[in-house]
Amino acid sequence: AQSVTQPDIHITVSEGASLELRCNYSYGATPYLFWYVQSPGQGLQLLLKYFSGDTLVQGIKGFEAEFKRSQSSFNLRKPSVHWSDAAEYFCAVGAGLTGGGNKLTFGTGTQLKVEL
Amino acid sequence: GAVVSQHPSWVICKSGTSVKIECRSLDFQATTMFWYRQFPKQSLMLMATSNEGSKATYEQGVEKDKFLINHASLTLSTLTVTSAHPEDSSFYICSARPLGQGRETQYFGPGTRLLVL
Repeated sequence: AQSVTQPDIHITVSEGASLELRCNYSYGATPYLFWYVQSPGQGLQLLLKYFSGDTLVQGIKGFEAEFKRSQSSFNLRKPSVHWSDAAEYFCAVGAGLTGGGNKLTFGTGTQLKVEL
Repeated sequence: GAVVSQHPSWVICKSGTSVKIECRSLDFQATTMFWYRQFPKQSLMLMATSNEGSKATYEQGVEKDKFLINHASLTLSTLTVTSAHPEDSSFYICSARPLGQGRETQYFGPGTRLLVL
């Protein structure tokens, strides 16, 4: 069974500083990987996704993530954080999406706080 | 585009009562909708997958008689928590997959917070 670990429950960065949120996954086949952001009162919004190809994936709002198979990681990065980036971030792995499955397995989330 | 709404956004009920939560895709049709549950400081856990016009598929450990799911149209799915107990208090989130889009695509609602007293 697939699983996702987000080691950092809370992260605080200063506005303008760089950001890296960690995500490690466990899955027996080629993973489908996602990063979502959740702001209070809003639904999860997809930031980016990786299926295949280039291991460095660009997303919305200036975010990027790099898939590293050898480390089973899919860390999210942003070179310069804005105060509006404060939110909760979820990493997810999709199981069997090409084989007819539907299931997304989420990590426990990382709460990002941005100091002005 | 691709907006999913949930109603109510929060609900408080007495133990033993039933609560219905609605999930609507506002600007697209959804063949498949998903229901998740999120406990504080824990990840979203998939409860069930529903396809319009057919019975929902429940994840292992989820009681289908307690969590009734109806997906009667391409824009509406409902989750009814029957005979709710305090341990059912949680944050319930739905998502919807647009008709004709790939399996990797889901749009999420803002969630419904349920408190059972």
